[in-house]
Amino acid sequence: DIHMTQSPSSLSASVGDRVTITCRASQSIINYLSWYQQTPGKAPKLLIYGASTLQSGVPSRFSGSGSGTDFTLTISSLQPEDFATYYCQQSYTTPPWTFGQGTKLEVK
Amino acid sequence: EVQLVESGGGLVQPGGSLRLSCEVSGFTLSSYSIHWVRQVPGKGLEYVSGANNNGINKYYGSSVKDRFIISRDDSKNTVYLQMDSLRPEDSAIYYCAREGRGVGDYFDYWGQGIVVTVSS
Repeated sequence: DIHMTQSPSSLSASVGDRVTITCRASQSIINYLSWYQQTPGKAPKLLIYGASTLQSGVPSRFSGSGSGTDFTLTISSLQPEDFATYYCQQSYTTPPWTFGQGTKLEVK
Repeated sequence: EVQLVESGGGLVQPGGSLRLSCEVSGFTLSSYSIHWVRQVPGKGLEYVSGANNNGINKYYGSSVKDRFIISRDDSKNTVYLQMDSLRPEDSAIYYCAREGRGVGDYFDYWGQGIVVTVSS
């Protein structure tokens, strides 16, 4: 199985900050990488797919980059509604697909 | 509007069975693959099972293989997850999710989740 490692596991930031979350795969996954945002009590929400394609309706302050084994999710200017947990997910192999352990973004 | 609605969860004893349903609306089920993902409250996401759009290819996570079976009835707009030989570690929120059709594979719409508790 391909193992996905996110860093950091938690992050404190303020409104207006630029934030970057990293996801590393245990082997190359080309660009088969998605990012999700989850707020407490809610289902995950797709932000980015194909490593860098913004899902329709997602604000442009979110961006994704990377290929191979190293990927990043960047929020250019944090808004109050962005405090949440973020997950990466690989889909390079046939399922079962694997998720990163999550990064909890908290208010500083 | 795309919607996925899970049902069938609840409390079951270890060794027991449950069948979860995922009823979809707002899109043609026969054109999409559907998957199940679970989450222990406060923990991360775990892939459980999936079926492609024609139902021929089915996938399972290693922790549920040989105990869970996924099926779909496109005429009823519903995907099912039959869960047998349940264990306490199967307790989680179960989400069904639609697989998107852009570059790569990803989950573009999710249900609200259904709670499964396995306990005596």
